[in-house]
Formats: sequence, C-alpha cells, structure tokens
Amino acid sequence: QKEVEQDPGPLSVPEGAIVSLNCTYSNSAFQYFMWYRQYSRKGPELLMYTYSSGNKEDGRFTAQVDKSSKYISLFIRDSQPSDSATYLCAMSDAGGTSYGKLTFGQGTILTVHP
Amino acid sequence: KAGVTQTPRYLIKTRGQQVTLSCSPISGHRSVSWYQQTPGQGLQFLFEYFSETQRNKGNFPGRFSGRQFSNSRSEMNVSTLELGDSALYLCASSYSGAAGETQYFGPGTRLLVL
Repeated sequence: QKEVEQDPGPLSVPEGAIVSLNCTYSNSAFQYFMWYRQYSRKGPELLMYTYSSGNKEDGRFTAQVDKSSKYISLFIRDSQPSDSATYLCAMSDAGGTSYGKLTFGQGTILTVHP
Repeated sequence: KAGVTQTPRYLIKTRGQQVTLSCSPISGHRSVSWYQQTPGQGLQFLFEYFSETQRNKGNFPGRFSGRQFSNSRSEMNVSTLELGDSALYLCASSYSGAAGETQYFGPGTRLLVL
C-alpha cells in the first residue's frame, strides 16, 4: 500500500465549477502538506503549503488538512480552463531522515472545459 | 532569480547504456533532490544532496547514483539502463533541504530507453 493515495481521475468539469481534490495518507509522522500543479511538459510548481492541521486560503484555492483522519483536500473555486493540469499532493515528516524528501500522491488530472 | 535548470531536456538511449543528467539549482540553494516520475508509480524520491554529501536516499537500485559539486550543481547517473528507466527525471532545489522547506522544481529531463 502506498503511503499517499490520490485518485488519478481524470476529472472533467465545466468552467466555473468548484473542484475538490483529495489525498489520504498512512504515515502519521507527516507534518507538512503541499499541493503542486504540473502542466504538461513542465515541472511541478507549488500551489499551497500547510503545516499540521487547519485551513489555508489563497485566492481561488483553499487547502484543508485533517490529521485525525489523515486526509487533505484542495478546493478550487470558479475553475478556469487555465486550471487544467495535473494536481499532486505532497507531504513530508519532520524527522531527521527526511532531508529533501517529499512523498507524492499519484496526481489527479483535471480538465476544465469552457 | 533564475529557476532550476536541467539539461538535457530529452534523451534517447538503448538498454545497457549509461546516462548522466545535470541540474543547476536556484542561486543560493544548497540542497538538490532528484525524483523519477512515471505514469505507473508517480513521483518517487531518488536522493538528496547538500554540500556535496548525499544525506538521503530513496528505494532505488545502486544503478542510480548522483553527486554534487562545490557550486551546488548536481548530476545524476544511471548505469546499465533498463526499459523501465524510461521516465521524467526531475530535480528540485531548496535552501537547506530541511523538513517542510519549499522545493522548487526544474522542467525535467525526459529519458526514453529503447
């Protein structure tokens, strides 16, 4: 079983829809949670960063972390065709062996059609 | 600031050959992490270097190796290539590689093994 599970989709929504992306994880040591966006033929770019539990909002994006359920979410409001990309959740723990290591979900392919 | 750069962007090799990929981190960043991205396994951590020392390593065979130079530039080498090594190889840099520190990704090197 993978440490981080993410539904690969694909997910197709109309422009303006609210998108919900989710990941579950099994390693209770994970303390840092990120969402990356990856366009075709590009490297991942950081969208949202959350430490421990709670919510964080940035424009149309909201990240939620529920450590008790080992579940994280990313919500995209008023989705746009330019949001079409692969969304990757990533996590790391705070231990001394975690230097430079992120553990990723499989990625969800999102298409927003006009 | 210039972003993370990777060369070459594309490579075609045959089984049994070896390959060397290069990564130049963001100026001032001393930690470089390498990842392999495939459709089946997603993004998987290979190793991390800081101040010319490997501090962390993922679960990959010894055919995968790397090094870092005094200017923080890093190279990754794969010997005796196998078909399954076909992937997008991404490097990411951060200031210190500490847990939870934001990593910035390059565009990747796409390797095809025939």
